[in-house]
Amino acid sequence: QLQLQESGPRLVKPSETLSLTCTVSGGSIRGSRYYWGWIRQSPGKGLEWIGSFFPGGNTYYNPSLKSRVTISVDTSKNQFSLKLTSVTAEDTAVFYCANVVSGGFDSWGQGTLVAVSS
Amino acid sequence: DIQMTQSPSSVSASVGDRVTITCRASQGISNWVAWYQQKPGKAPKLLIYAASDLQRGVPSRFSGSGSGTFFTLTISSLQPEDFATYYCQQADSFPFTFGPGTKVDI
Repeated sequence: QLQLQESGPRLVKPSETLSLTCTVSGGSIRGSRYYWGWIRQSPGKGLEWIGSFFPGGNTYYNPSLKSRVTISVDTSKNQFSLKLTSVTAEDTAVFYCANVVSGGFDSWGQGTLVAVSS
Repeated sequence: DIQMTQSPSSVSASVGDRVTITCRASQGISNWVAWYQQKPGKAPKLLIYAASDLQRGVPSRFSGSGSGTFFTLTISSLQPEDFATYYCQQADSFPFTFGPGTKVDI
């Protein structure tokens, strides 16, 4: 069974870079059935798609974040990562990684709350 | 971006009730809709994909329908564990977008 786990700093200072890693177990990132993505949820608010990538293919970002976000992949470690630059308090959120099957986010990590504060 | 709207924003229901949540897309998206259930402090759980396909392990009391711009999620007989917030999501085109959610409570 596919399992995903987010990791990274829980507190980031304003104007700095938020960095998170998603470690996948129970399956390979390179598996052709899936593509992968990051989603966030601000406290008490709804869900926002950040970006997705196709292994060996393209990466797509939310235009609202595109200038600040980068998703990268390390297939040797079965991990993918998120970097969000120039963060503000509005970037405080629970960040999730997930795989995508038939357009739906199937397996999710447990989520990690990242607070932006000085 | 494709906007997703949901109604109602909240619904009060009882165990055994039939509950229907609607989701509208700002433009036609064929059947590229997924539905999720989220409980406090937990990640969303995929219930339905491709508008009407039940995700493995999801009880059959959940069903989805619709195409184009109008979609519904129905819980045929509400169970205590179904009290949660439900979201729709379009997967027709990037950026993927979610509805604002419908809270189902007692």
